[in-house]
Amino acid sequence: GAVVSQHPSWVICKSGTSVKIECRSLDFQATTMFWYRQFPKQSLMLMATSNEGSKATYEQGVEKDKFLINHASLTLSTLTVTSAHPEDSSFYICSARDPGLSNQPQHFGDGTRLSIL
Amino acid sequence: AQSVAQPEDQVNVAEGNPLTVKCTYSVSGNPYLFWYVQYPNRGLQFLLKYITGDNLVKGSYGFEAEFNKSQTSFHLKKPSALVSDSALYFCAVRDDRTPDTGRRALTFGSGTRLQVQP
Repeated sequence: GAVVSQHPSWVICKSGTSVKIECRSLDFQATTMFWYRQFPKQSLMLMATSNEGSKATYEQGVEKDKFLINHASLTLSTLTVTSAHPEDSSFYICSARDPGLSNQPQHFGDGTRLSIL
Repeated sequence: AQSVAQPEDQVNVAEGNPLTVKCTYSVSGNPYLFWYVQYPNRGLQFLLKYITGDNLVKGSYGFEAEFNKSQTSFHLKKPSALVSDSALYFCAVRDDRTPDTGRRALTFGSGTRLQVQP
């Protein structure tokens, strides 16, 4: 079945560092990928929709310059947290769905735990 | 706009007993409904979905869910709970108004923590 791979799993870095997270669809081409953020004991909040070959669509309240999204190919989307600060610490999860198969569920990466010191 | 409500933050059940995790939804069109499970520090794993057809949907690991249009509910059930079922469960919805191009994100409920006691 469809698989989404996310890397890295854990990141611990100093404040002010920029961090890149990769999301790959392993056996299908994803024209659209989704980036979510999850705070402890809370639900997933959609941050942005990543569109291959065009600009990402950000949800209200999400800073575009803070969370840079690049969907350079049909199997890869990246989320870069620029100049990260402790308040950016969170669990980030990507997902995608095979557009070639109708009514299929979204498949999720295993998430990236980001800790900013 | 679409929304999902999971009224219970936590459900406790003894191993071997039946379990129910509640979910109600609101969409403008017809709902596509999903249940996912999340283990600590992991992404979400798909359990089951309702798109159309039979109201009772069977999924992975012995879970099932019943779609009730009049009550706008999609409760998750399992006849006999296992300790290994302890995890965080999310209900999610997407409406059918747009073409199924893979471009619509899901709206998630707040999650329900299931604790199965030995």
